[in-house]
Amino acid sequence: EAEVAQSPRYKITEKSQAVAFWCDPISGHATLYWYRQILGQGPELLVQFQDESVVDDSQLPKDRFSAERLKGVDSTLKIQPAELGDSAMYLCASSEPAMIVSGANVLTFGAGSRLTVL
Amino acid sequence: QKEVEQNSGPLSVPEGAIASLNCTYSDQGSQSFFWYRQYSGKSPELIMFIYSNGDKEDGRFTAQLNKASQYVSLLIRDSQPSDSATYLCAVNPSTYTDKLIFGTGTRLQVFP
Repeated sequence: EAEVAQSPRYKITEKSQAVAFWCDPISGHATLYWYRQILGQGPELLVQFQDESVVDDSQLPKDRFSAERLKGVDSTLKIQPAELGDSAMYLCASSEPAMIVSGANVLTFGAGSRLTVL
Repeated sequence: QKEVEQNSGPLSVPEGAIASLNCTYSDQGSQSFFWYRQYSGKSPELIMFIYSNGDKEDGRFTAQLNKASQYVSLLIRDSQPSDSATYLCAVNPSTYTDKLIFGTGTRLQVFP
């Protein structure tokens, strides 16, 4: 079964350090999402790509977060400098083109990258 | 007002019972609605989605949608201890975006 690959699974860093997460979506999925999930909360969208273009980054803290998907396939999310409040699960998801019959765009999530900032 | 609201729970039900999970949303233009299950420390996995008013059944799961009341629910029949997890309601707010807006989730506990 096709999967969304993410790495690293776990990352512990000190505040003010830089950290990066990588995501490889399901082959053929043009849309890629980065969500952040703080413990006890639901996932919150940080950035959405359609191929290599950013579609929505309205909730991305651009002073410290950056995301890229240079060739429209895999993607990297970077945080610099990390802050204590960045401790969370970073989830990557991808979706296939909207199913015309159902009208629903189904997101498949990777296993996530859990970040702890000390 | 949050865009997608869920009771955080925990909702405790005995094994074999029906678990009823509820979700309300604020955007009347919302198009499609999703239920994801998330085990502790794991990522969300899709259970089912619904986009038309009424009921949609898939095995032990039934999703119910009432757009007039801006309400979506998930029923789990014959609940099993393995169903113990957090259930996330997610909403696609319009036809102009593919993104999903998630609620905070309801924690379900099924006891033997």
